[in-house]
Amino acid sequence: EAGVVQSPRYKIIEKKQPVAFWCNPISGHNTLYWYLQNLGQGPELLIRYENEEAVDDSQLPKDRFSAERLKGVDSTLKIQPAELGDSAVYLCASSQQGEETQYFGPGTRLLVL
Amino acid sequence: DAKTTQPPSMDCAEGRAANLPCNHSTISGNEYVYWYRQIHSQGPQYIIHGLKNNETNEMASLIITEDRKSSTLILPHATLRDTAVYYCIVRRGNTPLVFGKGTRLSVIA
Repeated sequence: EAGVVQSPRYKIIEKKQPVAFWCNPISGHNTLYWYLQNLGQGPELLIRYENEEAVDDSQLPKDRFSAERLKGVDSTLKIQPAELGDSAVYLCASSQQGEETQYFGPGTRLLVL
Repeated sequence: DAKTTQPPSMDCAEGRAANLPCNHSTISGNEYVYWYRQIHSQGPQYIIHGLKNNETNEMASLIITEDRKSSTLILPHATLRDTAVYYCIVRRGNTPLVFGKGTRLSVIA
């Protein structure tokens, strides 16, 4: 069984530029999460989807961050414009309805210069 | 969600058992104890979880005290590949994981 797939694995951009991250969850998993992980810290939830509906986006900085999961499968997280402080690892996770275990992808490491 | 307290770091000799403690004194009756680990440059990996009974799987054992205020993750025969940050998380149902800083376990040859 394929795990959670994320791309790109690494991204370097200049500040004020836009950037997008893509996540393909495990097949059949209807719940999808985006987490942000700063250096030396544990991951922090940004947004949670149940199918195509964002059910918890309270921690998503909506002035510059946006996310979508149009068909309830793949998801995209976007930052526009990026700031120096956005340098971090962006993790995607998924879980199956009724199951409580989340499975994480390898993450996208973003560096904003 | 209840908070957890873990030591920031631990060392373990290769081949020996690694015992990672976690305090969760404010845990509620319907909250589970979860353990994840994160190897360098990878996403967190699920290890094990339990409610009140001890649990064992192919990766580890989880021992939860009778009052549920603390638990211990046991890796019975640690290898160099077990070097990682280990997170103890208390959560209710299918709520998002709230990570602390975890315990950095170094397995030494």
